[in-house]
Amino acid sequence: QVQLVQSGAEVKKPGASVKVSCKASGYTFTSYGISWVRQAPGQGLEWMGWISAYNGNTNYAQKLQGRVTMTTDTSTSTAYMELRSLRSDDTAVYYCARDRGTYCGGDCYPWGQGTLVTVSS
Amino acid sequence: QSALTQPASVSGSPGQSITISCTGTSSDVGSYNLVSWYQQHPGKAPKLMIYEVSKRPSGVSNRFSGSKSGNTASLTISGLQAEDEADYYCCSYAGTRGVFGGGTKLTVL
Repeated sequence: QVQLVQSGAEVKKPGASVKVSCKASGYTFTSYGISWVRQAPGQGLEWMGWISAYNGNTNYAQKLQGRVTMTTDTSTSTAYMELRSLRSDDTAVYYCARDRGTYCGGDCYPWGQGTLVTVSS
Repeated sequence: QSALTQPASVSGSPGQSITISCTGTSSDVGSYNLVSWYQQHPGKAPKLMIYEVSKRPSGVSNRFSGSKSGNTASLTISGLQAEDEADYYCCSYAGTRGVFGGGTKLTVL
C-alpha cells in the first residue's frame, strides 16, 4: 500500500538546524511531489512548501523562504525537509504528504505519521 | 497571507447533518476547483476526506460531501456518527502556495 514513513522525534537548541526524512513506498516516487505541513501544539495546519520528486523543483511558503530546504533522493524514494536557524515557535509536528503539485488543495494523500520537533534551550 | 476562514466549532446530534464553511478570496478558493478537506483526530495525522471540491477518495463514507460557491467552500456531513467527532481543515490551492483554514472542531453531542 502507499505509505510515507517519517524519521523520529528531534530536540534542538535555538539557532540549530533539523532535517526530517520521509520515506515513500507503494508507488512510483517520481510521479508525484511531496508537500510538507507543520502543526504547532494546539494549533492548525500550516503549508510549508512542496518539492517535485520528478525534477526537484520546489515552492516554499514565503514566511520560510531562506530557512527551509526541501530535497529528494530518488535512489531511496526519500524526501527531506531541512529547517535552519530554529526558533521556539518552530516547535511543531512536521508532516509530509504525497501531493501532485496542488499544494494540498487537490489531494494530499497519504500523510506520514508526523515528526515532533522541539526547539528548546 | 491569511489562512482561510472556518468556524472554530460546530456541533450536532447523532443522525443530524452539519455543514462547515471555508471562506477564502478570489485568489484561492474563488479561482480554483482545488479545495480539499481533511479530518484529524487527536494525536493522529490528517486524513483526506474530500478533494477537488466535491470528490470523495475511495473508502470515505458517502455521508461526507463537498461543494463550492464563489469564494466559499463547504463540507457537509450527514447522518452524524460519534466517530465523526474530530477537527476538520479545508485547504485551497492558491497558485504559488497552499493555504489551510484555521480548523473547525466538530462535537457530536
